[in-house]
Parts: sequence; structure tokens; C-alpha cells
Amino acid sequence: DGGITQSPKYLFRKEGQNVTLSCEQNLNHDAMYWYRQDPGQGLRLIYYSQIVNDFQKGDIAEGYSVSREKKESFPLTVTSAQKNPTAFYLCASRSGGESDTQYFGPGTRLTVL
Amino acid sequence: GQNIDQPTEMTATEGAIVQINCTYQTSGFNGLFWYQQHAGEAPTFLSYNVLDGLEEKGRFSSFLSRSKGYSYLLLKELQMKDSASYLCAVMDSNYQLIWGAGTKLIIKP
Repeated sequence: DGGITQSPKYLFRKEGQNVTLSCEQNLNHDAMYWYRQDPGQGLRLIYYSQIVNDFQKGDIAEGYSVSREKKESFPLTVTSAQKNPTAFYLCASRSGGESDTQYFGPGTRLTVL
Repeated sequence: GQNIDQPTEMTATEGAIVQINCTYQTSGFNGLFWYQQHAGEAPTFLSYNVLDGLEEKGRFSSFLSRSKGYSYLLLKELQMKDSASYLCAVMDSNYQLIWGAGTKLIIKP
């Protein structure tokens, strides 16, 4: 089945620790995205990548880092510099073409204790 | 600045019709999207409008007026499983999605 996977679904970390969230897709999409969702707010873009080995900062990139070494994979690291990391993190990939739609993975809920 | 506005919460009755409005001001326009998001889950794609008019897809329809910066999502024959948040998003001139905060739809029996 084609789709986007994120793991784990729930993640707990102590303050001051870096943590990496995984995102994998087998849809053959070039573009991939990381969003953060907080209660009562719209999705906010953290980083995006249009092509392998290239990525761009979104609106709230501070305290986060990414890599895009393979087309299928776009991991996000939440560093200790991120002041308020507890949130629901969503990875998406974009189909391109006529409808140019973003499709989402199931999300990772990160709680920093 | 860029802005997407939609009501925070709406309530409707099972079997009825509900219209969720979305107004937008963005730098450029390359399409408007509606997504459904159940609590604790990821958004799922519902519809895409890039030209003015109504797009119908089963019980769901989406309308767009580019001149008014306005869209609505129409849900007919409401079912309890339609209880969810509905997210409006506009693709801007850089092909990035600008998201509204979502409308939480509560369906009552």
C-alpha cells in the first residue's frame, strides 16, 4: 500500500534532550513537509523539501533541523533549543500535477517532560 | 499579512445540512483545499478548488469565489462520523499552504 508513515505515534522526552521524528513515504513524491499543530491554531510549517538534498526553512524553523538524503525519508530533529516542543507533529508529501495535494502521515505526539 | 478565517465551532443535527465558511487574504492564489481532521488524527484531503464555482463529491461540496476571497464546504445528510474539525487551506504564490485554525463541527442526534 502506498502511503506516509510516521513513528512513533507517541513520544516522551525529558527537557534538554534532542529527539528525531521519522517520516517515510512510498508515494514517489518529490516534496515533503513538516508541520506543527497546537490546540486552537492552524498548522504551522517547520521545514519543507522540494527535492533530495535540498530543504528550506518554514515559518517556525528555530530549534528544529531536518535532512533529506533519500527521496523517501525526511526526518525531523527537535533540538533542546526549541523552547516549547510539546505538540502534534505532522509530516506530509505533495503529489504535484493538477491537484497538487498534500497528504499526511498519522502524526507523532511529542510530550517533553 | 496572510490570513485565513473560519468559525471556531459549529453545531448541527444528524441528517441535516451544514455550511462551513472560509475567507482568505493571501499573497497569490493557487488553489483552496478542505481537509477533515478527527480528534487525535491527521488531516485527510476532502476537496480542491482552483476555479470559481461548486465542486460536488458525494455528500460533500465545496464552493469558491476568488473575487470575494471566499469558500464554503457544504455537508449534506450529516452523520455522527462527520463530527470532526474541518480545515481550510490556501496555496499561495510560493505554492505553500496557509492554514486556517479549523472549524470544530459537533453533530447532535
